[in-house]
Amino acid sequence: DAGVIQSPRHEVTEMGQEVTLRCKPISGHDYLFWYRQTMMRGLELLIYFNNNVPIDDSGMPEDRFSAKMPNASFSTLKIQPSEPRDSAVYFCASSRVSGANVLTFGAGSRLTVL
Amino acid sequence: KQEVTQIPAALSVPEGENLVLNCSFTDSAIYNLQWFRQDPGKGLTSLLLIQSSQREQTSGRLNASLDKSSGRSTLYIAASQPGDSATYLCAVGYGGSQGNLIFGKGTKLSVKP
Repeated sequence: DAGVIQSPRHEVTEMGQEVTLRCKPISGHDYLFWYRQTMMRGLELLIYFNNNVPIDDSGMPEDRFSAKMPNASFSTLKIQPSEPRDSAVYFCASSRVSGANVLTFGAGSRLTVL
Repeated sequence: KQEVTQIPAALSVPEGENLVLNCSFTDSAIYNLQWFRQDPGKGLTSLLLIQSSQREQTSGRLNASLDKSSGRSTLYIAASQPGDSATYLCAVGYGGSQGNLIFGKGTKLSVKP
């Protein structure tokens, strides 16, 4: 398995632009998570899905952020409009329904908003 | 609110030394605890997972312990090597849901040859 695949790896954009981050989880994993990592706040859970259904989005900062999972093999995290404070590394992770809760992380998408 | 703290924030040791990384959490009602490794510019790799009913887990030169009553976990690395240099993060599974991992900010380890 190729692991959790994220794209793009790096994105530089200007304030006000729309940003879409993509994630392909490991096949057979029923849970998908989006995290954000910054120096100040560390790793924070934004939202997670179970069987393509959003379960907890309480970590989504505000209405500018939205996430979808149209099928078991694809998810997007969208920021519209983007702001400089959104600059961070965004990680996607997936796991099986096992109770063991071992997450496999993607390599991350580094977003810079100018 | 659950908070996870890791001390020290950074650690530098000579090769071959045994070392301990510390993690503390404020709410003992956890259902598991994980240690991750993060290399620069990369994602996180899960090293060890300890369920709430367990006291420790071992993998090779790594040993993680869990003391729920005191809200503490340690990651012991034996005979450290330069390849162990990375940031180590502790994460607590909390709140009864599959996805609610609360992360510490990590300890950046540097092992000097």
